[in-house]
Amino acid sequence: LAKTTQPISMDSYEGQEVNITCSHNNIATNDYITWYQQFPSQGPRFIIQGYKTKVTNEVASLFIPADRKSSTLSLPRVSLSDTAVYYCLVGGATGGFKTIFGAGTRLFVKA
Amino acid sequence: EAQVTQNPRYLITVTGKKLTVTCSQNMNHEYMSWYRQDPGLGLRQIYYSMNVEVTDKGDVPEGYKVSRKEKRNFPLILESPSPNQTSLYFCASSLTEGAPYEQYFGPGTRLTVT
Repeated sequence: LAKTTQPISMDSYEGQEVNITCSHNNIATNDYITWYQQFPSQGPRFIIQGYKTKVTNEVASLFIPADRKSSTLSLPRVSLSDTAVYYCLVGGATGGFKTIFGAGTRLFVKA
Repeated sequence: EAQVTQNPRYLITVTGKKLTVTCSQNMNHEYMSWYRQDPGLGLRQIYYSMNVEVTDKGDVPEGYKVSRKEKRNFPLILESPSPNQTSLYFCASSLTEGAPYEQYFGPGTRLTVT
């Protein structure tokens, strides 16, 4: 499974766009890139998943360059309720769907 | 409502007393998994199951057992709990086709072993 590297923490203000980048240099051909959000004492919540280029849903966008060695989660116009830990995961059928969560990025949104 | 349920939500027990934490999902998902979360160590996978009667070890399987006799249920068994198994436990499930990493997590079980 590809190891992922994310910033430990980030600060932002309400209404700003936040971009969190994840490095995954050893990503395999069949691997997907998935992002989760977690609030204290709650289970992680799926945000978005992609394989290449750009994916957008009602919550976020995921940008994946052609070499797929990194990815960027973009949260438009964050609010205080977006304060959480964000995890980037890389994996897929090649790894037998074994799941490894990294340390995540702690996002703190200020008023 | 599509969901993953865990029981109990909170449990305080003593060293060596066998316990089972149940997990059930109503989404007909093939994949189910157990995680533990500890401060400073993050989320670590204990066991996972690709389908009925198919289970495999995650990163921290020692001291745990699982079984997958039915598609919807995936209980976590601690045969002889020890204090180092005090943790917050999460069960999750997902499809294995389409979006294989879109896992749905349960509410968590906070276990304390004294």
